[in-house]
Amino acid sequence: ETGVTQSPTHLIKTRGQQVTLRCSSQSGHNTVSWYQQALGQGPQFIFQYYREEENGRGNFPPRFSGLQFPNYSSELNVNALELDDSALYLCASSLRDFNEQFFGPGTRLTVL
Amino acid sequence: QQQVKQSPQSLIVQKGGISIINCAYENTAFDYFPWYQQFPGKGPALLIAIRPDVSEKKEGRFTISFNKSAKQFSLHIMDSQPGDSATYFCAASKGTYKYIFGTGTRLKVLA
Repeated sequence: ETGVTQSPTHLIKTRGQQVTLRCSSQSGHNTVSWYQQALGQGPQFIFQYYREEENGRGNFPPRFSGLQFPNYSSELNVNALELDDSALYLCASSLRDFNEQFFGPGTRLTVL
Repeated sequence: QQQVKQSPQSLIVQKGGISIINCAYENTAFDYFPWYQQFPGKGPALLIAIRPDVSEKKEGRFTISFNKSAKQFSLHIMDSQPGDSATYFCAASKGTYKYIFGTGTRLKVLA
């Protein structure tokens, strides 16, 4: 059984650019949640995907968007990057009817 | 009402001592309370979790105490070890939806 994987590990972008982050769920998990973790803070919920549809969203603007694919992997897209978007982006996978969420190692995004 | 307040912000404990981290919540609809451990540069790892119908849960050296009436829960790390030095986050959720995380506690265990 493989755990949650994320790519890339690190990423540097400039303000105004667009970025795509990727996540592969733990084997058998059908739900993916994305979180943003600023330095020294707890993770903040961005959105959750189940059956390829967004299943709830946190307090993030529309320039944060996502996708879930039939194999349950997922992408997080951020347009028009801002300096404050610099953070660790975490993907968590889970089974729909179970509470436990298992996190990947994260993607460290730096916006210059 | 969606907040989870965590304290202390940082904690220093001697090896073999007990580390205690506290969290408080407001939303009585929360029904799942996990604790996560995070090392620098890594994602959070699930340590232990509890539901409100249980007052205490123990797994190895880790214990959650839950006080439903006070809307508080805490993590106790018994016989703390230098390898336990990490940041700990409490969280709360309603159903299988999003987690609301606390602000984290940076634990340092002195050898």
